Amino acid sequence: EVQLVESGGGLVQPGGSLRLSCVASGFTFNKHDMHWVRQTPGKGLEWVSTIGTGGATFYGNSVRGRFSVSRDDATNSLYLQMNSLRVEDAAVYYCARASYYYDSGDYYFWFDPWGQGTQVTVSS
Amino acid sequence: SSELTQDPAVSVALGQTVRITCQGDSLRNYYGSWYQQKAGQAPILVIYGKNKRPAGIPDRFSGSRSGNTAYLTITGAQAEDEADYYCNSRDTNGYIYYVFGSGTKVTVL
Repeated sequence: EVQLVESGGGLVQPGGSLRLSCVASGFTFNKHDMHWVRQTPGKGLEWVSTIGTGGATFYGNSVRGRFSVSRDDATNSLYLQMNSLRVEDAAVYYCARASYYYDSGDYYFWFDPWGQGTQVTVSS
Repeated sequence: SSELTQDPAVSVALGQTVRITCQGDSLRNYYGSWYQQKAGQAPILVIYGKNKRPAGIPDRFSGSRSGNTAYLTITGAQAEDEADYYCNSRDTNGYIYYVFGSGTKVTVL
């Protein structure tokens, strides 16, 4: 069974740091890009970051410069280091596997599966 | 613009058909994908590609696109289809990133 399990969420003060983890199982982890997506009640789903199989990283505008994504293919693990946390970073954070394919000049992509999520609360 | 616009809520009678729309410029270039999220659960993929369903997703779910609008259609809605539905696309705009729609709450009456 393909599965993603996040951990590391919790309560942190504004300006603090937190490191989220996501452990994958049931598929060849090192052959897939991986995403982080967060969800707040007010803003819905927001893409946070992507890391490629070769280690290339991409970030959303709201977290670039403060968050850092990494992976350890030896342990099938994905990480999100979150620094300088703000109240608006409070959300449920999900990891998700990336999939893509090309067909007749069109490019297709999707997020599947998703982990169960881990709650991050930023408050003093 | 990279934004994806969805109607906040729609309702459908049990067994009837509902179409959920998602509008955005990036959809002229990409088909995107659709996700279902039930209360207290993580999102799950329901449609990807031109109109592909992952294993386990009923064939009453279908997807299409026209111009800058993507559609998710539920033909013969069931009570268990009551959920939030999100569209997703991608836009490079000089930098690779992804965007999700604001979500549509589907209520089955």
